[in-house]
Amino acid sequence: EPEVTQTPSHQVTQMGQEVILRCVPISNHLYFYWYRQILGQKVEFLVSFYNNEISEKSEIFDDQFSVERPDGSNFTLKIRSTKLEDSAMYFCASRTVQGNTEAFFGQGTRLTVV
Amino acid sequence: GENVEQHPSTLSVQEGDSAVIKCTYSDSASNYFPWYKQELGKGPQLIIDIRSNVGEKKDQRIAVTLNKTAKHFSLHITETQPEDSAVYFCAASIIGGFKTIFGAGTRLFVKA
Repeated sequence: EPEVTQTPSHQVTQMGQEVILRCVPISNHLYFYWYRQILGQKVEFLVSFYNNEISEKSEIFDDQFSVERPDGSNFTLKIRSTKLEDSAMYFCASRTVQGNTEAFFGQGTRLTVV
Repeated sequence: GENVEQHPSTLSVQEGDSAVIKCTYSDSASNYFPWYKQELGKGPQLIIDIRSNVGEKKDQRIAVTLNKTAKHFSLHITETQPEDSAVYFCAASIIGGFKTIFGAGTRLFVKA
């Protein structure tokens, strides 16, 4: 069964450092998303991406965040200068088309900022 | 802004009993309501969904109901089993839109 894969599974970084979280969405999917889940809290929408541009983003997704689909298969989330409060589980998700509404989630990357 | 409230935050039931999780949403434009199950160390996985043109949907032991007027929707799990133990999230979105708003989650414990 096709799945969304994320790497690494766990990333530890120093405050102020840049991190890149990587995702490989399901191959025929066209819509891509990043969500964040702080430990014990709800899953929060960060950003959606379609046709090589951001479709929508939340207030959390400030100038420190960026997304990219560099090579047609990977979908990355970059945090330029990490803060302690960026520590969370980051989930990538993808969909085929907007009319088909099920989003498939990856297993997540646990980011720990120290 | 859009919000989804979910209750209870924790639910403990005996194996074989039913479990009910309730959610309310604020955005009246929402017309798609998925439910996700998240097991430890894994991403959310869709278990059932309902669109606003339907009041109820059932899939084996799982059912979801929707009251559009009251902006309520609920997940019902019958004949619970220990493997149903997980965190369950309700969510709301607009078909054709780009984001999904999640509830805070319900941690379900099914005691054998």
